[in-house]
Amino acid sequence: EPEVTQTPSHQVTQMGQEVILRCVPISNHLYFYWYRQILGQKVEFLVSFYNNEISEKSEIFDDQFSVERPDGSNFTLKIRSTKLEDSAMYFCASGGLAGGNEQFFGPGTRLTVL
Amino acid sequence: AQSVTQPDIHITVSEGASLELRCNYSYGATPYLFWYVQSPGQGLQLLLKYFSGDTLVQGIKGFEAEFKRSQSSFNLRKPSVHWSDAAEYFCAVGSSGAGSYQLTFGKGTKLSVIP
Repeated sequence: EPEVTQTPSHQVTQMGQEVILRCVPISNHLYFYWYRQILGQKVEFLVSFYNNEISEKSEIFDDQFSVERPDGSNFTLKIRSTKLEDSAMYFCASGGLAGGNEQFFGPGTRLTVL
Repeated sequence: AQSVTQPDIHITVSEGASLELRCNYSYGATPYLFWYVQSPGQGLQLLLKYFSGDTLVQGIKGFEAEFKRSQSSFNLRKPSVHWSDAAEYFCAVGSSGAGSYQLTFGKGTKLSVIP
């Protein structure tokens, strides 16, 4: 069964450094998402991406964040200058057809900012 | 704005007992409703979804949920819990319509199962 994959599983970085989190969505899906979950809190939407552009973004997704689909298979989330409060589990998700179809989540990347 | 409330932070049940996890949502139009499960250190696995039609939906692992529009609820049930069901359960609501949509999650209910 196809699944969403994410690398790395755990990333440790120093405050102020740039990080890139990588995701490979399910191959025939059209819609791509990033969510985050700070330890002990609920999962929060960051951004959705369709047709090579951002469809929607939350207030969390400020200028420090960017997304890209560089090669038709990978989907990346870049944090330009990490802060301590960026420490969280970051989940990638992908969805197939028009609105209402379920989103399939990857296993997540745990980001620790020191 | 859409929102989801899961009033129970932690529930403990005995193996073999029945289970009901509560979920209430707030959304202006017809919602798309989901239940996801997260085992420790794992990602989110979809248990079931409601888009339209029959208000009682069946999911994986023997779970079911009932959409009640009048109560704005989408409670998750299982008639007999197994020890492997111990995990955190998240209810989520998504906007309807074409295109991509964001999911709004509840804070989750942690389920513990006593052997």
